[in-house]
Amino acid sequence: GAGVSQSPRYKVAKRGQDVALRCDPISGHVSLFWYQQALGQGPEFLTYFQNEAQLDKSGLPSDRFFAERPEGSVSTLKIQRTQQEDSAVYLCASSLGSSGGGFTQYFGPGTRLLVL
Amino acid sequence: EDQVTQSPEALRLQEGESSSLNCSYTVSGLRGLFWYRQDPGKGPEFLFTLYSAGEEKEKERLKATLTKKESFLHITAPKPEDSATYLCAVDNTDKLIFGTGTRLQVFP
Repeated sequence: GAGVSQSPRYKVAKRGQDVALRCDPISGHVSLFWYQQALGQGPEFLTYFQNEAQLDKSGLPSDRFFAERPEGSVSTLKIQRTQQEDSAVYLCASSLGSSGGGFTQYFGPGTRLLVL
Repeated sequence: EDQVTQSPEALRLQEGESSSLNCSYTVSGLRGLFWYRQDPGKGPEFLFTLYSAGEEKEKERLKATLTKKESFLHITAPKPEDSATYLCAVDNTDKLIFGTGTRLQVFP
């Protein structure tokens, strides 16, 4: 079946511009996660949704980062007033499980953001 | 603090030369240890989940094992197409904590 999809795949933004990154999870997956991956590093957790509820946003680097999943399916990660340090790959993952951990997370291809 | 450390950072193998990648972890309560493969420009691709010490899983030339402190990814007779970055992660209350990965190159 279809995997996790993300759009756009690449985004170039001027410093100060707002950007919106979209994630379509695997159909029926309850949980959705956003990660940030810097070059040569492992992904770092940003935020987590269970259905439409944002249960953990402890990894969001600043209040310029905002995520939503209004209908419990598609999610959008928004970055306001982008800075050069926001340049990274933003990965979305989804999993079937709702709580208790241990469920496999399946990742999308990522959105590569470059802030000039 | 929950932490994952992978070694080596990079590994070059000749085709057919078996080796192992290490993932050491500290976590307050292990709900799962995950191995992923990541090719350049792509998202991590799921390989294995291990839940308890002593557990082993295999897939083609790859075998993952788990102890209370570390996991190993054994690669038997690797081929050039096994070249990728291999990421290890532990499940911490529904979020994954990743290591920095081992970049594997297999040359003919």
